[in-house]
Amino acid sequence: GIQVEQSPPDLILQEGANSTLRCNFSDSVNNLQWFHQNPWGQLINLFYIPSGTKQNGRLSATTVATERYSLLYISSSQTTDSGVYFCAALYGGATNKLIFGTGTLLAVQP
Amino acid sequence: GAVVSQHPSWVICKSGTSVKIECRSLDFQATTMFWYRQFPKQSLMLMATSNEGSKATYEQGVEKDKFLINHASLTLSTLTVTSAHPEDSSFYICSAIPPGSGGYGYTFGSGTRLTVV
Repeated sequence: GIQVEQSPPDLILQEGANSTLRCNFSDSVNNLQWFHQNPWGQLINLFYIPSGTKQNGRLSATTVATERYSLLYISSSQTTDSGVYFCAALYGGATNKLIFGTGTLLAVQP
Repeated sequence: GAVVSQHPSWVICKSGTSVKIECRSLDFQATTMFWYRQFPKQSLMLMATSNEGSKATYEQGVEKDKFLINHASLTLSTLTVTSAHPEDSSFYICSAIPPGSGGYGYTFGSGTRLTVV
């Protein structure tokens, strides 16, 4: 099956700093999504981005499907950005199964 | 927006007993729901796809006799962990896709933290 790898696995930032999270996938995917899991475990859908670039406030994402990677940019980070960021790929035919990446644990310090 | 409710939020049970976790779509009908398991500091692993009115589809390596899934209505799927053991302790999360949201409208429950003692 498809492999979805993320880097870095852990990241510590000072409030106000910028960061880039990377997601590599081993095969062609039907879509690519980014999620934020807060410290209480709730998953929030950030972006649906099978290709191209999208922006939402301080967050933006870019997917280059032909090169099988996606990037999530966080600018002017805030402590509330802390948590785990996952990318997830919808893989194969008619299935709606999301395959999650390995995750990046982000800690933003005041 | 679409809401998926999961209950209980946390549960502690004794080894050998069974635990039922409920996943409800509150404002939409879901013919399909998904169950994930997440161990500490790890990613979400898909366990099974729950199909309303039919048998669930389990991922490779997931014991269907241990993790019983019932999707008896369009708004409710349940996961029962039978004869639980400490190694079943984990965070269980369900999700569903509201109709018309395309392939990106995945909505997740808040999760159930299971501890088996």
